[in-house]
Amino acid sequence: DQQVKQNSPSLSVQEGRISILNCDYTNSMFDYFLWYKKYPAEGPTFLISISSIKDKNEDGRFTVFLNKSAKHLSLHIVPSQPGDSAVYFCAASEDKLIFGTGTLLAVQP
Amino acid sequence: IAGITQAPTSQILAAGRRMTLRCTQDMRHNAMYWYRQDLGLGLRLIHYSNTAGTTGKGEVPDGYSVSRANTDDFPLTLASAVPSQTSVYFCASSDTQTGDTQYFGPGTRLTVL
Repeated sequence: DQQVKQNSPSLSVQEGRISILNCDYTNSMFDYFLWYKKYPAEGPTFLISISSIKDKNEDGRFTVFLNKSAKHLSLHIVPSQPGDSAVYFCAASEDKLIFGTGTLLAVQP
Repeated sequence: IAGITQAPTSQILAAGRRMTLRCTQDMRHNAMYWYRQDLGLGLRLIHYSNTAGTTGKGEVPDGYSVSRANTDDFPLTLASAVPSQTSVYFCASSDTQTGDTQYFGPGTRLTVL
């Protein structure tokens, strides 16, 4: 049973607009959440994280929101750029990281 | 450049053969991990090691074994490869063992025929 779910396999956004990637989880004991970005033929790279004691964390164009009551996590990218096109994985941790299935973001010029 | 290296980059293997995927990190991280990435399934943890000399089973350990003789190296062995082990394998490391930010290697693409 998938504890971390990314229900949208893909997302297409115009350059300059906002990209919103969503992630849902089932385990209320998760206390740390991360987003990774993956380009083809490369390993995932860490993007941004948030602790369960916060509801928002911002780093430049990237903001992660956490809604604990809904067990929902989202990543906002604004403005989106063509170089943001990649697969995005959310991950949650109580002890070990549990990854979602990934969302392929395509930013159209 | 500090980071994680994996070898080989890709490999085609006949079913039943033994294969060891190599992973080396130079960040002096305590914890290391092996994941497999499959379409529609994301990244799944195979085995991990919280510190040199210890290993543990992840979500999908069957058919794989690991060893952690020192801090830097964490090889993954397939004793007798099967086609369902066709996947992309990623090694990762983190400074601590409790869900800390993990740093990934470039991956090994393995095809078992």
